[in-house]
Amino acid sequence: QLVESGGRVVRRGTSLRLSCATSGFTFRDYGMHWVRQCPGKGPEWVSGIDGKGAITGYADSVKGRFIISRDNARNSLYLEMKSLRVEDTAVYYCARDPGSGGMWSVRWFDPWGLGTLVTVSS
Amino acid sequence: EIVMTQSPATLSVSPGERAILSCRASQSISSRLAWYQQNPGQAPRLLMYGADTRAPGVPARFRGSGSGTEFTLTISSLQSEDFALYYCQQYDDWPRTFGHGTKVEIK
Repeated sequence: QLVESGGRVVRRGTSLRLSCATSGFTFRDYGMHWVRQCPGKGPEWVSGIDGKGAITGYADSVKGRFIISRDNARNSLYLEMKSLRVEDTAVYYCARDPGSGGMWSVRWFDPWGLGTLVTVSS
Repeated sequence: EIVMTQSPATLSVSPGERAILSCRASQSISSRLAWYQQNPGQAPRLLMYGADTRAPGVPARFRGSGSGTEFTLTISSLQSEDFALYYCQQYDDWPRTFGHGTKVEIK
């Protein structure tokens, strides 16, 4: 089970931290990802991290502004978002790579959480 | 990046009828395609991977096909729980990209 939290309405240019609490599997054995869905659009991969927390990756749209991290002792995934833009408004999902503990090796995402809504106002 | 195009945007089908959803990749992705189902207020659920392999627990009425750039998800006899949004996703290249989705609605 994956449960995201931390989404809310924020002003443009500010920061926000999302969390994803996990249970039901050995968290450290899996790569984890954030995927977002902007209103009326398809999902967009945002960022990923390997099981050890050593390798990370980012979409060009968030590179330099977002930081993904994980705490394997707490079975939790995080996304630190800075310099937020109106176009970052979306539902943010955390999702597991079911196949490996890597980051770049992810093929599909399963399972996903219910998501948390981030709204960036101008 | 690889652009995934789904059609139609909305598909109106009567319960018990067949639905055919299409997904096209902007370049060849072999069979590196996944399908997801999303009901309102719920998390996306993995349906298919490898273009034609059903995820555990997915009913046999769901069938995926295709390779290269053209893919199809067929739902043979629509049940009430199948009326939902469906997305395709490629995993041939980075970034992983999704289509904009097809909404299957009750006719």
